[in-house]
Amino acid sequence: DAGITQSPRHKVTETGTPVTLRCHQTENHRYMYWYRQDPGHGLRLIHYSYGVKDTDKGEVSDGYSVSRSKTEDFLLTLESATSSQTSVYFCAISVGTGPGETQYFGPGTRLLVL
Amino acid sequence: GESVGLHLPTLSVQEGDNSIINCAYSNSASDYFIWYKQESGKGPQFIIDIRSNMDKRQGQRVTVLLNKTVKHLSLQIAATQPGDSAVYFCAEVAGAQKLVFGQGTRLTINP
Repeated sequence: DAGITQSPRHKVTETGTPVTLRCHQTENHRYMYWYRQDPGHGLRLIHYSYGVKDTDKGEVSDGYSVSRSKTEDFLLTLESATSSQTSVYFCAISVGTGPGETQYFGPGTRLLVL
Repeated sequence: GESVGLHLPTLSVQEGDNSIINCAYSNSASDYFIWYKQESGKGPQFIIDIRSNMDKRQGQRVTVLLNKTVKHLSLQIAATQPGDSAVYFCAEVAGAQKLVFGQGTRLTINP
């Protein structure tokens, strides 16, 4: 998994509660990404980061925020979880010099919002 | 493991046969393509990539073919093994843009 860990690996929460997912990398890659994966939609980009404190939105960013205070950690926060955010969340890093280079994925976090 | 896609295209092959998984991409400006393999309960795993200035690239037991005229990408797996059972995704990149993933194809291996 290219030195990528995600925590927690599984989480069950209730609608309206805040949730934070953590992605940690050990190789100082500049670009990090958060995706969600749902049946019928494949992988969709939520947010990405191109450096410490530098982030940008992806195609499905509504309801999510991110933070990157250190190179190795990229946090995804659901401020007030909804059932539509039940999904599998994957973090990825890019090993190239640009955002479109080969990406390697973490093991995923399965989130269930009741 | 989780359900990657309830209505994915499915390809069934006999163990030992060759598999060909196809992908149509949408952006004629895409200049970089990647194939990923995703096993149940795991994240996507990089298999092979190809730049738009190439039409073929080979790896270990895998070959990717790119036809820019019809915007088509294929992944060939030689001598398919049980461990090849997975969902396979193609992804495209145009310029400095981010990866755009296809819906995936589920490959099942018959003994």
